[in-house]
Amino acid sequence: GAGVSQSPSNKVTEKGKDVELRCDPISGHTALYWYRQSLGQGLEFLIYFQGNSAPDKSGLPSDRFSAERTGGSVSTLTIQRTQQEDSAVYLCASSNLRGSGELFFGEGSRLTVL
Amino acid sequence: GIQVEQSPPDLILQEGANSTLRCNFSDSVNNLQWFHQNPWGQLINLFYIPSGTKQNGRLSATTVATERYSLLYISSSQTTDSGVYFCAGRNTNAGKSTFGDGTTLTVKP
Repeated sequence: GAGVSQSPSNKVTEKGKDVELRCDPISGHTALYWYRQSLGQGLEFLIYFQGNSAPDKSGLPSDRFSAERTGGSVSTLTIQRTQQEDSAVYLCASSNLRGSGELFFGEGSRLTVL
Repeated sequence: GIQVEQSPPDLILQEGANSTLRCNFSDSVNNLQWFHQNPWGQLINLFYIPSGTKQNGRLSATTVATERYSLLYISSSQTTDSGVYFCAGRNTNAGKSTFGDGTTLTVKP
């Protein structure tokens, strides 16, 4: 696609429910990143995928968080048994590591856990 | 990992004024970007600038890689420049980029 696409743009859920957030990167971009931004804060790295390499999961805050990237393209971030502190904007970015490696972000998915 | 320090944390300007935002890195980086996060939360790419100087309209950026810092200049500021400015960097071609905490700019009419 022309840009990074994320869905849903907004998600309200109840504490304890599972949620899935989707990211469709720019066509041809081999690298995909998930970041989290809590209200008024900076960007917190979550996970990074590059081609067929093992993902860098070093930023995932707990084992309730997981992500996969199927076919080297679309990625899904799953949060199990959501907690109120999971409320944040989840941002996805992609980059073309055969070029400059510049990151391009989607518009984010705003998660609210009640 | 790399630490990124941005200054100032907050900046209030009158429309038409100029400003300089700074980003310091704890280690050398070979991939450095500046972003503007608008009031709607969208991250807009401003500059990819691992070294040297670039200009785009009223904005310009300079990175001194050997000194591990980058500067973003905003001239003749406008109210639409308001928002949060982030820098981010990494020292590998691949891998995660680390973000600073941002500079919140408010331009008053």
